[in-house]
Amino acid sequence: GAVVSQHPSRVICKSGTSVKIECRSLDFQATTMFWYRQFPKQSLMLMATSNEGSKATYEQGVEKDKFLINHASLTLSTLTVTSAHPEDSSFYICSVEVAGKSDTQYFGPGTRLTVL
Amino acid sequence: QKEVEQNSGPLSVPEGAIASLNCTYSDRVSQSFFWYRQYSGKSPELIMSIYSNGDKEDGRFTAQLNKASQYVSLLIRDSQPSDSATYLCAVNGGSQGNLIFGKGTKLSVKP
Repeated sequence: GAVVSQHPSRVICKSGTSVKIECRSLDFQATTMFWYRQFPKQSLMLMATSNEGSKATYEQGVEKDKFLINHASLTLSTLTVTSAHPEDSSFYICSVEVAGKSDTQYFGPGTRLTVL
Repeated sequence: QKEVEQNSGPLSVPEGAIASLNCTYSDRVSQSFFWYRQYSGKSPELIMSIYSNGDKEDGRFTAQLNKASQYVSLLIRDSQPSDSATYLCAVNGGSQGNLIFGKGTKLSVKP
């Protein structure tokens, strides 16, 4: 499978600050990456689809001005949670889609965000 | 709205038994089907993919697909306590080519 990294793995911040999460595809180029959020004991929720070189596509109900996504290269996508609040505390996970492998997605290890 | 349904469980099986996990999906045109395993506090890990009707075996895991019934399952033979996790079924069909995930079935394998 593909190797996907995320940084940081865990972050604790004060309410009102912005947090940037990086997702890197280490062993292949990814034109498409996905960002998910998962609250405790709940299922994965797709937030947005990140396409290299173009604007991200957000799912209904996800504020694009609050969750800024930048997919500037074929190996890196970033998610910035702006003006974070306690309700944004969650497990954020990225995945990459492997070209030529029929929709197969490989997940990064996730970033646990806690907003105080 | 396209949906993927799974029994949330928990499904409890004794060590060495066969665990059977089931999933149904609503979009008849879906072509790609996946099973992921997620340990508590960790991200999902791909176990199996299946694209054609029938069975696909990989070690102790067998995925079964029946497109006519819109049904996909995962069998785990010789279940081990280390198999205890939540198993997510995923089906292609999102508007952006993304996968649609079920809520997952929690499996507990008792020693």
